[in-house]
Amino acid sequence: QKEVEQNSGPLSVPEGAIASLNCTYSDRVSQSFFWYRQYSGKSPELIMSIYSNGDKEDGRFTAQLNKASQYVSLLIRDSQPSDSATYLCAVIYGGGADGLTFGKGTHLIIQP
Amino acid sequence: EAGVTQFPSHSVIEKGQTVTLRCDPISGHDNLYWYRRVMGKEIKFLLHFVKESKQDESGMPNNRFLAERTGGTYSTLKVQPAELEDSGVYFCASSQDGGQPQHFGDGTRLSIL
Repeated sequence: QKEVEQNSGPLSVPEGAIASLNCTYSDRVSQSFFWYRQYSGKSPELIMSIYSNGDKEDGRFTAQLNKASQYVSLLIRDSQPSDSATYLCAVIYGGGADGLTFGKGTHLIIQP
Repeated sequence: EAGVTQFPSHSVIEKGQTVTLRCDPISGHDNLYWYRRVMGKEIKFLLHFVKESKQDESGMPNNRFLAERTGGTYSTLKVQPAELEDSGVYFCASSQDGGQPQHFGDGTRLSIL
C-alpha cells in the first residue's frame, strides 16, 4: 500500500528561525510531490510543488527532494506567527493515477 | 479568477437520508478530483474525472457513493443512503492537467446523525 509519512508534531519553532518539515513516501516510481498548508477549518493551500531531485526555492520556502532516499522536505525561513498551520505532504504516484496521496500532516507552531 | 467552489459548506442529515454535494472547478480545468477527510485521518482520494469521464474511481468506498460530471463542468457527489461512517469533510480539487498542482475548494462538512 502506498503511504506518505509525516511526524504529526506539534513542531514548535521560535519566530525568525527556520522550520524544517519532513516527509517520506513508500513508492520509488513517484513522480510529483507537493506541500500544502492548511489552517484550521480551511482548504489545503498549495505552497510548493517539486518534480526532480534537488532544491526548489520560492520566497521563504524551499522544497527538497531526494528520490533515492524517498524523502521530501520543506524549509520555511524567517518563520512568522502566520506560518502556524498544518503542513500536508502529498504525492502523485503516477502510472495514470493522478489522485494525491496525503500524509496526516505536521502541526507547526511559530512562537512569537 | 474564481477558485474551486463547493456547496453546501455544511450539511447535517440523518442516517439513511440522501445528500448531494456539488463542486465547481476552476474554469478551464479538465481534471476534477474528490477527496474525503474523516476525523483523525489523512485526506483520502475518492475519484478523478477528466472532463466528463471517470479516470480513476479506485478510492470510492462503496456503491452508496455516486459521482457525476455531466458536460464536463461541475460535478456532484451523491451519498445514498448515508451511514454514520460517511461523516467527514469532502474536498473537491481541480487542475489544468493530470499530475499538475491541484487547487482545493473549502470543502463540505458532512455530519450524519
